[in-house]
Amino acid sequence: DAGVIQSPRHEVTEMGQEVTLRCKPISGHDYLFWYRQTMMRGLELLIYFNNNVPIDDSGMPEDRFSAKMPNASFSTLKIQPSEPRDSAVYFCASQHRGTTYEQYFGPGTRLTVT
Amino acid sequence: KQEVTQIPAALSVPEGENLVLNCSFTDSAIYNLQWFRQDPGKGLTSLLLIQSSQREQTSGRLNASLDKSSGRSTLYIAASQPGDSATYLCAVKNRGSTLGRLYFGRGTQLTVWP
Repeated sequence: DAGVIQSPRHEVTEMGQEVTLRCKPISGHDYLFWYRQTMMRGLELLIYFNNNVPIDDSGMPEDRFSAKMPNASFSTLKIQPSEPRDSAVYFCASQHRGTTYEQYFGPGTRLTVT
Repeated sequence: KQEVTQIPAALSVPEGENLVLNCSFTDSAIYNLQWFRQDPGKGLTSLLLIQSSQREQTSGRLNASLDKSSGRSTLYIAASQPGDSATYLCAVKNRGSTLGRLYFGRGTQLTVWP
């Protein structure tokens, strides 16, 4: 299995621009998570989906952030408009209900907003 | 709300030492606990997962224990090597409706020098 796939790996954009991050979970996994990691705040859960339905979006910072999961193999996290304080590494993770609910992480997208 | 604490925040040891990383959590009603490794600029790699009914899990030189009643877990690394240098994160999953969500500690940054 290819694991969780994220794109792009690096994104540099100017303040005010729209940013779209993409994630392909592991095939057969029914949960998908978006996290943000910064030195100041550590790893924060932004939102997670179960069977393509958003379950908990309480970590989404503000209305500038939105996430979608149109099907079981694809999700996007969009920031519009972007701000310098959004600079961070964004991780996507997936898990299968199974018996262990073990989470698997993607390599992350390093976002820099200038 | 679950809070996860990891001590120490950083650890520097010479090669060959046996070492212990600590993790504590405030709510003992957990479903499982997962230890991750993160190399600089990389994603999280799952090392060990302990179900709430288990006391320990082993993988090679790694041994993780769980004392649910006291809200503690330890990760034991035997005969440490420079390649073990990384940040180690502990995360717990609560029982109940939030079964998808992981609560993370801030991590222990480990440096093993030759």
